[in-house]
Amino acid sequence: GAGVSQTPSNKVTEKGKYVELRCDPISGHTALYWYRQSLGQGPEFLIYFQGTGAADDSGLPNDRFFAVRPEGSVSTLKIQRTERGDSAVYLCASSLSRDSYEQYFGPGTRLTVT
Amino acid sequence: AQTVTQSQPEMSVQEAETVTLSCTYDTSENNYYLFWYKQPPSRQMILVIRQEAYKQQNATENRFSVNFQKAAKSFSLKISDSQLGDTAMYFCAFMDSSGAGSYQLTFGKGTKLSVIP
Repeated sequence: GAGVSQTPSNKVTEKGKYVELRCDPISGHTALYWYRQSLGQGPEFLIYFQGTGAADDSGLPNDRFFAVRPEGSVSTLKIQRTERGDSAVYLCASSLSRDSYEQYFGPGTRLTVT
Repeated sequence: AQTVTQSQPEMSVQEAETVTLSCTYDTSENNYYLFWYKQPPSRQMILVIRQEAYKQQNATENRFSVNFQKAAKSFSLKISDSQLGDTAMYFCAFMDSSGAGSYQLTFGKGTKLSVIP
């Protein structure tokens, strides 16, 4: 079956612009996670959705970052007033439920802020 | 808060040989999972192997096995009969499964493994 997909694959934007990154999880997976992977680092947790609600947003670095999952499937990560420090690979993962140990990752979106 | 440490930024191994990647972690939880993920240049994170903390027996998956030392909080990955396709970044990761959290993954910084023909 189809895996987790993310669009776009690459995004280049200018400092100060607004961007949206999209994640399509595996069908039927209720848990969805966003992670950010900076160059030379492991992924860091940003936010977790169970169904439509953001159950844990403790990893969002500041209020310029926001994410939604209005119908409990597709999720969009939104970044306002982008800064050069936001440049990273943004990874999305889904799992069948919160306590399903295996998270399935998408290929990520590489965001470059110039 | 949990931390995961991978002390080997880069390693190399000859094809068909065996290599061990190190990982240590720190937690006050009793119930958790540990994982090794592989990330090739395509960026896709692929689960290699997992270990439940309550299980004493070390997990194995074909050529991949772990040495889980709970008291020492150590979780190393052994790759036997290394193949060129094993070349990738390898990340050790921790998941609190106590039920209190969101089951997010905490990753180490990774080890870049190169398999040499």
